[in-house]
Amino acid sequence: EPEVTQTPSHQVTQMGQEVILRCVPISNHLYFYWYRQILGQKVEFLVSFYNNEISEKSEIFDDQFSVERPDGSNFTLKIRSTKLEDSAMYFCASSGQGRETQYFGPGTRLLVL
Amino acid sequence: AQRVTQPEKLLSVFKGAPVELKCNYSYSGSPELFWYVQYSRQRLQLLLRHISRESIKGFTADLNKGETSFHLKKPFAQEEDSAMYYCALRPPSGNTGKLIFGQGTTLQVKP
Repeated sequence: EPEVTQTPSHQVTQMGQEVILRCVPISNHLYFYWYRQILGQKVEFLVSFYNNEISEKSEIFDDQFSVERPDGSNFTLKIRSTKLEDSAMYFCASSGQGRETQYFGPGTRLLVL
Repeated sequence: AQRVTQPEKLLSVFKGAPVELKCNYSYSGSPELFWYVQYSRQRLQLLLRHISRESIKGFTADLNKGETSFHLKKPFAQEEDSAMYYCALRPPSGNTGKLIFGQGTTLQVKP
């Protein structure tokens, strides 16, 4: 069964550094998402992406964040200058259509020191 | 405001006991409601959605629009049901499909 994959599984970085989190969505899916979960808190929507552009973003998704689909398979989340409060688990998800079931990746645990 | 509330952080029951995981939502329209489950060391996965009206792994959930609730129930809990359960809402309008999650409830089924 196809699955969403994410790399790396863990990332430790220094405050102010740039990080890129990578996701490979399910191959025939068209809608892509990033969510994050700060330890002990709820899973929060960050951004949705369709047809090579952002379709919706939350207030968390400020200018420090960007997403890209650089080729036919990868979907990336970049944080330009990480802050301590960016430490969280980041989940990628994909769906065939916007209102179909979202399939989640295993997550990347980001720790900003 | 769009909000999903799961009032219990932890629910601990014995095997064979009934389970009810509570979920209330705040939304002015007619959203779609979902339950996602995350077993230990596994990814978030869809358990059920209200429009399907199906039973998965013995779990059911009924949408009560009057009480704005979508509680998850199972008559007889099994040890393998132990996991984190998240209630989620999808707004009815737009095509982006974003999900709004509750805080999650850890279900612990004791032998």
